[in-house]
Amino acid sequence: EVQLVQSGAEVKKPGESLKISCKGSGYRFTNFWIVWVRQMPGKGLECMGIIHPDDSDTRYTPPFEGQVRISADTSINTAYLHLNNLKASDTATYFCARALDSSGYHLPNWGQGTPVTVFS
Amino acid sequence: QSALTQPASVSGSPGQSITFSCSGTRSDVGIYNLVSWYQQHPGRAPKLIIYEVNKRPSGISDRFSGSKSGNTASLTISGLQTDDEADYYCASYAGSHAIGVFGGGTRLIVL
Repeated sequence: EVQLVQSGAEVKKPGESLKISCKGSGYRFTNFWIVWVRQMPGKGLECMGIIHPDDSDTRYTPPFEGQVRISADTSINTAYLHLNNLKASDTATYFCARALDSSGYHLPNWGQGTPVTVFS
Repeated sequence: QSALTQPASVSGSPGQSITFSCSGTRSDVGIYNLVSWYQQHPGRAPKLIIYEVNKRPSGISDRFSGSKSGNTASLTISGLQTDDEADYYCASYAGSHAIGVFGGGTRLIVL
């Protein structure tokens, strides 16, 4: 069974940094892209970027280019979303998902989500 | 890459059929038969319910069906149930340089 398990909820202060993890199992981790999706409170899904763990080919959507960093460690089948200099507007739930290609439109498996709260 | 357009909410009664629309352009929905639909219950992760316009993943009820006409994709739920109350998002392939083109989502209210 394909599973993506994300790290737990986080509460951070403005200016702090955060790394969210997404561990894949039940499939060959290096064969599929991983997408990161943001969902702000009461809002829709926003694709942040995508990574192919095998060669770390990473692409970002325009709103998130230069704002976040995505990485992967194939030795532990885990992808990461790095958020720096956190602001209150980074308060959201972040999801990872397995993508069948680099377009990120077809996402058959999702992590459970990591809620992030940023407040002083 | 532009987002796809979905109505903010639709409502229906148990047993009815209801259809959601997802409007794109000739650069995404109109040119590719690569549209997905996701269901998201409050506090839960999205779940893929339709891919490639009209295909259902294993385990998804045949009450869910998808179609496309021109630049607009549609999701139909027949025999509406209270558990269908959720948010529904469409997504489309939009070319090799576009990533994750989603609609804004439609909230389904089952009266």
